[in-house]
Amino acid sequence: ETGVTQTPRHLVMGMTNKKSLKCEQHLGHNAMYWYKQSAKKPLELMFVYSLEERVENNSVPSRFSPECPNSSHLFLHLHTLQPEDSALYLCASSQDVSGGVDTQYFGPGTRLTVL
Amino acid sequence: GQNIDQPTEMTATEGAIVQINCTYQTSGFNGLFWYQQHAGEAPTFLSYNVLDGLEEKGRFSSFLSRSKGYSYLLLKELQMKDSASYLCAVPDSNYQLIWGAGTKLIIKP
Repeated sequence: ETGVTQTPRHLVMGMTNKKSLKCEQHLGHNAMYWYKQSAKKPLELMFVYSLEERVENNSVPSRFSPECPNSSHLFLHLHTLQPEDSALYLCASSQDVSGGVDTQYFGPGTRLTVL
Repeated sequence: GQNIDQPTEMTATEGAIVQINCTYQTSGFNGLFWYQQHAGEAPTFLSYNVLDGLEEKGRFSSFLSRSKGYSYLLLKELQMKDSASYLCAVPDSNYQLIWGAGTKLIIKP
C-alpha cells in the first residue's frame, strides 16, 4: 500500500456506541492530522501529532479521543457521539509539523453517520 | 483574525477555461495551497505559491498576489474529470492550515 489509508470507509453508529477510526501512512512522515469535513464548510483541524506527541487540540469535545502509537498510525476513538458529529473524517500526514510549511497528504476519509 | 473566501460553486463548459478565485486575510503569510477533491475522495495537492506571480503546471496554473491577499487557480482545456471541489488554504502562525470552504466546479459537455 502507498500513501495514506483509512478504515473503515463508511461507518454508521448509534449515539451509545463506541467505535474507532484508523489511519495509516506509508510515506515516512513524522506528523499526522485528524480533520472533520462537513458539507459546505471548511475543513476543521481536530488534532495534530508530531513524532507521536500531540501538539495541537483545537477544542474538540472529549467524546473524540485520539491515539498515536507510532509515527505511522493514528486512531480516533469515538464514544457517545451526537448526530451533528456526522461528517467525513479525514486523516493527513506531512513530513513535519514545526519549523516551516509542509504539504499535507490525505487519506480517502471515513464517512461517519450517527443515528 | 484569519479568513479565506472562495465562491461556493462555478459552472464551466468542457474545453473552456475557468478561473477560481481565493481571497485571504492572515496575520502573517507563509504561502498558499490549492487542493482538488473529487466527491467522496481525498483532497489531493495541486500547488503551493509563496512568491507573487503565475506558476504553470500543465493545464493548471496558480497565481498569487501577496499585496492584494488574492490567488486564483486557472484550469485550461477543461475535461469532465475536472469536475471536483477546489480548496484554498493558508498556513497560520503555527503553520497549521486554515481552509476555505471550497469551490465546487461543475463541467458541462
